[in-house]
Amino acid sequence: SQKIEQNSEALNIQEGKTATLTCNYTNYSPAYLQWYRQDPGRGPVFLLLIRENEKEKRKERLKVTFDTTLKQSLFHITASQPADSATYLCALSDNDMRFGAGTRLTVKP
Amino acid sequence: DTAVSQTPKYLVTQMGNDKSIKCEQNLGHDTMYWYKQDSKKFLKIMFSYNNKELIINETVPNRFSPKSPDKAHLNLHINSLELGDSAVYFCASSQVAGGLSNYGYTFGSGTRLTVV
Repeated sequence: SQKIEQNSEALNIQEGKTATLTCNYTNYSPAYLQWYRQDPGRGPVFLLLIRENEKEKRKERLKVTFDTTLKQSLFHITASQPADSATYLCALSDNDMRFGAGTRLTVKP
Repeated sequence: DTAVSQTPKYLVTQMGNDKSIKCEQNLGHDTMYWYKQDSKKFLKIMFSYNNKELIINETVPNRFSPKSPDKAHLNLHINSLELGDSAVYFCASSQVAGGLSNYGYTFGSGTRLTVV
């Protein structure tokens, strides 16, 4: 069966460090992979999209990699800030979009 | 202006009742969706409409019926509510089906449904 797994439910890091979140998938051949941020009581907000033929995508302090051989995406936030604390969701786009369970990131001052 | 708006934000109702959640988007998107987020925060697709036509209908009980009067609106009607229907329901829209554009999906702020 198809699965999307995000490496951990929660990740705590110190302000200024780089946060790295992992998304692994099985039995998918996604054309696209997306990352979203969700704050408590709010809907997910789109951050980045990476296509299957792209290795890496950057946006400000965010960097996403996509390895279709390993079936894995890494999501990095450099110079993390307390305001980056949120749940981050990966999503795979094929004919529709399916989400992972998310990783709750806490950045401590 | 809110891009994707859902009403109501909170809904508390008794088992067996029928209720509706409304969703409207002002982005000019062709595709709209309903997702359910359960207590474990897992987001699951329920329905997808493209230009008023149903294109995805996941394994959802028949008690759930989406209605799209026009491409800017996708409402969700739920009959005979059960305790297990308690969750947060999110409406979303996208320019292209499957979110296959550089802008992904735009989500509403959710409707927290509590069945007592």
